[in-house]
Amino acid sequence: DAKTTQPPSMDCAEGRAANLPCNHSTISGNEYVYWYRQIHSQGPQYIIHGLKNNETNEMASLIITEDRKSSTLILPHATLRDTAVYYCIALLNFGNEKLTFGTGTRLTIIP
Amino acid sequence: GAVVSQHPSWVICKSGTSVKIECRSLDFQATTMFWYRQFPKQSLMLMATSNEGSKATYEQGVEKDKFLINHASLTLSTLTVTSAHPEDSSFYICSAGSPGQGNYGYTFGSGTRLTVV
Repeated sequence: DAKTTQPPSMDCAEGRAANLPCNHSTISGNEYVYWYRQIHSQGPQYIIHGLKNNETNEMASLIITEDRKSSTLILPHATLRDTAVYYCIALLNFGNEKLTFGTGTRLTIIP
Repeated sequence: GAVVSQHPSWVICKSGTSVKIECRSLDFQATTMFWYRQFPKQSLMLMATSNEGSKATYEQGVEKDKFLINHASLTLSTLTVTSAHPEDSSFYICSAGSPGQGNYGYTFGSGTRLTVV
């Protein structure tokens, strides 16, 4: 899996958009960018994934640069419940590949 | 969507005893399951990969005789912590993957907090 780099922590005001960056400069052409989050004392939760096009779902938007070396996860209107550790992972979409976690970004939503 | 049920959510056991943690895929068949351990304020550390009907593959440094993994069916994997000691106290999390669930990568259980006293 390609290595990913994320800032260790970020703060965001409640109601504002939270933009979480991720660098994955060594990503291969067939690796997807996956985002998960882990709320305290829970299992990780899938958020979104993409290959090269921008993606949006009910939780977030994913913006991938044209060269695919970095991406940004956007939570459009952050709430206190979005406080969590967010992980960006490069992964082949085969379902049996090992999923390894880096240190992620600890996002704190400020009231 | 895919659901993985993990049980128990927490357990306290005495030092020297064994504890079994179950991980079930409720609405899909999981050909591969993964087991993680997480210490406070740290990231998830992959312990082992289990494939249905075959032996688990352990990550370097994980004692296979201490952490027994059984994946006897496409919907159930178990992790048994044998002869538990206080240093085994941790948050254990399973995840399940199947090619049919590829759109979501992997689905995670809610975790088991093990405390060894």
